[in-house]
Amino acid sequence: GPKVLQIPSHQIIDMGQMVTLNCDPVSNHLYFYWYKQILGQQMEFLVNFYNGKVMEKSKLFKDQFSVERPDGSYFTLKIQPTALEDSAVYFCASSLKVGQNTLYFGAGTRLSVL
Amino acid sequence: GEQVEQRPPHLSVREGDSAIIICTYTDSATAYFSWYKQEAGAGLQLLMSVLSNVDRKEEQGLTVLLNKKDKRLSLNLTAAHPGDSAVYFCAVRPLSSGSWQLIFGSGTQLTVMP
Repeated sequence: GPKVLQIPSHQIIDMGQMVTLNCDPVSNHLYFYWYKQILGQQMEFLVNFYNGKVMEKSKLFKDQFSVERPDGSYFTLKIQPTALEDSAVYFCASSLKVGQNTLYFGAGTRLSVL
Repeated sequence: GEQVEQRPPHLSVREGDSAIIICTYTDSATAYFSWYKQEAGAGLQLLMSVLSNVDRKEEQGLTVLLNKKDKRLSLNLTAAHPGDSAVYFCAVRPLSSGSWQLIFGSGTQLTVMP
C-alpha cells in the first residue's frame, strides 16, 4: 500500500538545539499531519497542513514548532529551540484529499532531547 | 472535548482464540471510527473504519462493533494468530468540533502465543 517515510528513525539532540524531522508523504497526497506520542501515552494531534498553510493546530503545537513543505519536497517539523518535554515519537501522516478520513502514517521518528 | 479510553492496555491470547479490544468515547456527535495496527518499527496501518450509521462491519477475521448508545467501539479478532501480535489503536473523529483531527486511544499491546 501507499507508504509514508520518516527520516531519521531516531534523533538524539541536546536541549536548546534545533531539530528538523522529515517526512516523505505519499506522492499524490495533499494533506499532511504531525502527531506526537510520549512513551506510554496516547498519540496526540499536533498540526495539519494543506496548500502551504497550517489548517489546524493543537495546544501542543508550541511557538517553537513550525512546519513547511518547500517545493513539494519533504514535509518537515522543526523545533527551535528544543526542550526536554519534546522527547517523544513524532508520527507523520498524509491523506489524499482535504478532510479524507483515511490517513497513511509513517513509522515515526523517536526524538530524544537530553 | 472528546475523550477516548481504550482497554485493555495489554492482552495475551493463544493462537486460535479471539481477542477483543474496546474503546469508549464521550462525544455523541462522533462521526468516524477506526482501528489501526502498529507492528514493531512500522507505521500505523488502517485496519477498518466505520461511519456512525454502521453498527457492525466484518472483514477478513476482524469485526468492528459500534454501540452508539453506550458510546463504545470494539474490535474483535477471531481466531488470532501470531502475526496479529502488535499494538492496536482506536481513533475517532468527532463531528461537532469541526475538526479533522483524529483522537486516539492509548493502545493495546496484543500478544498471540503459538
